[in-house]
Amino acid sequence: GAGVSQSPSNKVTEKGKDVELRCDPISGHTALYWYRQRLGQGLEFLIYFQGNSAPDKSGLPSDRFSAERTGESVSTLTIQRTQQEDSAVYLCASSLAGTLTYEQYFGPGTRLTVT
Amino acid sequence: DQQVKQNSPSLSVQEGRISILNCDYTNSMFDYFLWYKKYPAEGPTFLISISSIKDKNEDGRFTVFLNKSAKHLSLHIVPSQPGDSAVYFCAASPLTGGSNYKLTFGKGTLLTVNP
Repeated sequence: GAGVSQSPSNKVTEKGKDVELRCDPISGHTALYWYRQRLGQGLEFLIYFQGNSAPDKSGLPSDRFSAERTGESVSTLTIQRTQQEDSAVYLCASSLAGTLTYEQYFGPGTRLTVT
Repeated sequence: DQQVKQNSPSLSVQEGRISILNCDYTNSMFDYFLWYKKYPAEGPTFLISISSIKDKNEDGRFTVFLNKSAKHLSLHIVPSQPGDSAVYFCAASPLTGGSNYKLTFGKGTLLTVNP
């Protein structure tokens, strides 16, 4: 069965440009999460979706970051006016429901480099 | 302020010997702990978990020990195999309450098992 997929796998962008990162969760998973991992750091929670709603956006680092989810499926993370400190691997995960009873399955990530 | 700490960035072990990976946490609200394994260019995959009502959980070659009073957990792999070479992340969460989906990760420990 298909796992969580993310695209693109790598993205290089110039400072100040906007980027969109895509996540396709496992079919039937109602919960979706975005994390990021900066170099030498652990994974940082960004946002949690239950269905198409985002009850927890507490990890988004600034108002340049936004995310949406449609059809209880695909999600996009948008970073506006990218900065060099946004360079990181952005990871998406999904689970059957939004409690730890259900394992979070991670995608391979999108490596974002802001030059 | 790091709430989950993995103080050893790397560990090298001989095949067949025991690998011990350590993790400390500071947040008393954490009562569920997980270990994830990550290969290069892949997302983390769940390995084993433990809730705070237990002090040990075993799954095949993998055992996690929890010392609540010390706010310390460890992952034991025995016997270690070359295929175990990966980055291991410790993660923690409250098991109940409104944030029982949000994982807080350590920085990871790179385990190398030498043949």
